[in-house]
Amino acid sequence: ETGVTQSPTHLIKTRGQQVTLRCSSQSGHNTVSWYQQALGQGPQFIFQYYREEENGRGNFPPRFSGLQFPNYSSELNVNALELDDSALYLCASSLGGTIAYEQYFGPGTRLTVT
Amino acid sequence: DQQVKQNSPSLSVQEGRISILNCDYTNSMFDYFLWYKKYPAEGPTFLISISSIKDKNEDGRFTVFLNKSAKHLSLHIVPSQPGDSAVYFCAASARGQGAQKLVFGQGTRLTINP
Repeated sequence: ETGVTQSPTHLIKTRGQQVTLRCSSQSGHNTVSWYQQALGQGPQFIFQYYREEENGRGNFPPRFSGLQFPNYSSELNVNALELDDSALYLCASSLGGTIAYEQYFGPGTRLTVT
Repeated sequence: DQQVKQNSPSLSVQEGRISILNCDYTNSMFDYFLWYKKYPAEGPTFLISISSIKDKNEDGRFTVFLNKSAKHLSLHIVPSQPGDSAVYFCAASARGQGAQKLVFGQGTRLTINP
C-alpha cells in the first residue's frame, strides 16, 4: 500500500510570486484535504476535494485554490504570495463520504516566503 | 475562535509511567475525535479515534476517553516508551457538514525520559 506523498519537500519563494504544491493520495482513497500548519500551531483546514470536486473550504482567501485529478492526486496553488503564507503545507487522503474517516497525512511541503 | 484546545504545550513523563494528554472542545456539533502523533520532518500519523457514541476506546497501550458533558477528551499512554516522544494533536470533526474537515488543537510536546 503506497502512502501519501508530497512534492517538493522544501520551497523558497518571493512575496508576490505563485506556487504549486503536489500531493499523491494513498492507494484506494478518493478524498484529499489540504492543511496549513504555521509554526507552533496545529494544522488548519484549507479545503477538501472529493472525486475532483471541491467539497468544503476553510477560512482562506480565494488566492488559495486547488485541483484534484482523475487518479485522485491533487494540487494546491497559491497566488500573490504573502510573508504569512510561510508554513508547512500538509496533504491528507481518506475515503470519501460525509462521515469522518481517519485522514492519512503526507510529510508536508515547507514553504518559505521572503 | 479556538474550537479545540490543548492547554499544555509540553509534558515530561518518566519511561514506564502513564502519560495523560488532555484536550477540550467548545463546538457541541463535534461527534468524532482523533489523536495524531507527529515527529519532526514527518506528517501527523493517525493514532486512535473515538466516536461521540462511546466514552472509551482502547488500542494496545493507547486509550482515549471522552467526556461529552465536560467537552473533554484525554489520551492515556501506558506504559510510556522513549519512542512516544513526539508532538500530539487532538482533532475533531462534525458529521453532516459536507467536508471531513478536521479541527486541530495546538499540540502537546510529549517527552519521555529514560
